[in-house]
Amino acid sequence: DAGVTQSPTHLIKTRGQQVTLRCSPKSGHDTVSWYQQALGQGPQFIFQYYEEEERQRGNFPDRFSGHQFPNYSSELNVNALLLGDSALYLCASSLWGSSGSYEQYFGPGTRLTVT
Amino acid sequence: AQSVTQLDSHVSVSEGTPVLLRCNYSSSYSPSLFWYVQHPNKGLQLLLKYTSAATLVKGINGFEAEFKKSETSFHLTKPSAHMSDAAEYFCVVSPINAGNMLTFGGGTRLMVKP
Repeated sequence: DAGVTQSPTHLIKTRGQQVTLRCSPKSGHDTVSWYQQALGQGPQFIFQYYEEEERQRGNFPDRFSGHQFPNYSSELNVNALLLGDSALYLCASSLWGSSGSYEQYFGPGTRLTVT
Repeated sequence: AQSVTQLDSHVSVSEGTPVLLRCNYSSSYSPSLFWYVQHPNKGLQLLLKYTSAATLVKGINGFEAEFKKSETSFHLTKPSAHMSDAAEYFCVVSPINAGNMLTFGGGTRLMVKP
């Protein structure tokens, strides 16, 4: 049973460009959350998708957008990249409707470097 | 609103000695609390979770944590450190009945000396 997978593992982009990161949830999960982890900091919640809609959003600008597909996989898009967007982007999957006590499973992350 | 403060950014112990990683939280809701570990170049792994049952929670690899509501604390302990415990540890809070958005602390880097 595959866990959460993310692609690519590493990515280098230039300021102003756009990037798309991908995530496949753990088998049986229907909800995907995205987190940004800057170097030396804890992950910060970006947004959460369920039934192809954004359900919760953290304090991130509209440059950050996402999508969820019918097979529950998800994409994170970032437009007009800034140097400060350099970070590890983590995807987590879970079951919709589960309480806050339900464990979220994390993928290995995508390391984005903006130059 | 919820927040987490990890009181030490770095903790260094000798192998075989006890480990204490401190965490204080703030939450408008009854919280669930978690400890996650992150080894270099690896994903986040759940160590243990508190979900309003027993206040002393046992996790994997000999770790445990005690929920103290009066002190709003959830400190992580282990009786005897092993070299393989060296990693980044995150204390995390989530509202127990209001979705499952996770709020992470800033992390504590645990170093284990031989």
